[in-house]
Amino acid sequence: QVQLQESGPGLVRASETLSLTCTVFGYSISSDYCWGWIRQPPGKGLEWIGSICHGATVYCHPPLKSRTTMSVDMSKNQFSLNLDSVTAADTAVYYCARFCNGGNSYGTWDYWGQGTLVTVSS
Amino acid sequence: DIQMTQSPSTLSASVGDRVTITCRASQSINKWLAWYQQKPGKAPKVLIYKASNLESGVPSRFSGSGSGTDFTLTISSLQPDDFATYHCQQYNSYSLLTFGGGTKVEIK
Repeated sequence: QVQLQESGPGLVRASETLSLTCTVFGYSISSDYCWGWIRQPPGKGLEWIGSICHGATVYCHPPLKSRTTMSVDMSKNQFSLNLDSVTAADTAVYYCARFCNGGNSYGTWDYWGQGTLVTVSS
Repeated sequence: DIQMTQSPSTLSASVGDRVTITCRASQSINKWLAWYQQKPGKAPKVLIYKASNLESGVPSRFSGSGSGTDFTLTISSLQPDDFATYHCQQYNSYSLLTFGGGTKVEIK
């Protein structure tokens, strides 16, 4: 059974860097699929942040691209997100998830972490 | 960016009602659309992929239709477990993904 688990600080100061890690259990991230991050501000909709595919190719939501770094650590079966220069608008529940870039379920996020709330404080 | 507009943002309905949620894309996305259900405090769950294909294990009362720019999610007979928020998501290109704003289905 594939499981994902987010980890990282729940509180980040404004102007600093938000750093989260997603650990994947039950599936090797060096295999196929893309891996990514989606966030949801309190009471609002979902926003795709970015995806990393084939261990190296990164795709980012254009408004966040200049502040976003994503990476993979295959030895730990983890992938990570850094979001620079955060403001209160970056307060959200952050989810990591697996993206199907092929096969019948192409285009869907089929496995998700439970989500972690990150609050940006001033 | 492709913008996705969902309507309504909130919907009040009763058990047994037929419910329809609409998602409109700002440009054609062929059939590259998925629907998700999200319950409070939980991650979203896939219901429909490629506009009209039911994900394994999803009840048959859920159905999706549409292509191009206009899509619908229909629940044929609303059940107590269906009160949740529904999101559409386009993947015309997996390098540029977009979600709709969500539709909350409430008890009338």
